[in-house]
Amino acid sequence: DQQVKQNSPSLSVQEGRISILNCDYTNSMFDYFLWYKKYPAEGPTFLISISSIKDKNEDGRFTVFLNKSAKHLSLHIVPSQPGDSAVYFCAASTRAGGTSYGKLTFGQGTILTVHP
Amino acid sequence: NAGVTQTPKFQVLKTGQSMTLQCAQDMNHNSMYWYRQDPGMGLRLIYYSASEGTTDKGEVPNGYNVSRLNKREFSLRLESAAPSQTSVYFCASRTPRPNNYGYTFGSGTRLTVV
Repeated sequence: DQQVKQNSPSLSVQEGRISILNCDYTNSMFDYFLWYKKYPAEGPTFLISISSIKDKNEDGRFTVFLNKSAKHLSLHIVPSQPGDSAVYFCAASTRAGGTSYGKLTFGQGTILTVHP
Repeated sequence: NAGVTQTPKFQVLKTGQSMTLQCAQDMNHNSMYWYRQDPGMGLRLIYYSASEGTTDKGEVPNGYNVSRLNKREFSLRLESAAPSQTSVYFCASRTPRPNNYGYTFGSGTRLTVV
């Protein structure tokens, strides 16, 4: 049962345009969400996160939007640059105690290609 | 540089062979994790260690064992490798509360079982 889903395996955009990556989740206990970026032959690196008490978090060119009622989040990259070409993973966690504490559940990833 | 170090980077095993993947972090993190990455499956949790001396199963633990040797080191062992264990393995450690709950990942071990 895939609790975090990224339904688009790939996305191609032109340099300077907006990239929108989407993520859906099913577990209503998730209350913290993160995006990771991964280049080939490297480990994922943290990009941006959002708590469930917010609906938007912005960091430079990157903005994450959270729609709790729809159990949906999205990552916007504006403007997109060729160096943004990578695999992007959505991840979710619950900050409640117990055995789930601190564990991240990842989506399948979306390959973003930004063309010059 | 501070971070998570994994060894080896590449490994080819024959079915039935055993091996241990090593992971060490120098950030004084309490929690450490082992994930595997497969095409179309994302990153799936194999085992984790919330603190030194404790380990717990994740989503896909079958065929693996782990050891939290000390606070720095968390190893993953394949006792009898199978082709289904061909994957890229990532070790990660976690920033303590009350920060961003994000992980720091190692650069991965690409394992092929033939």
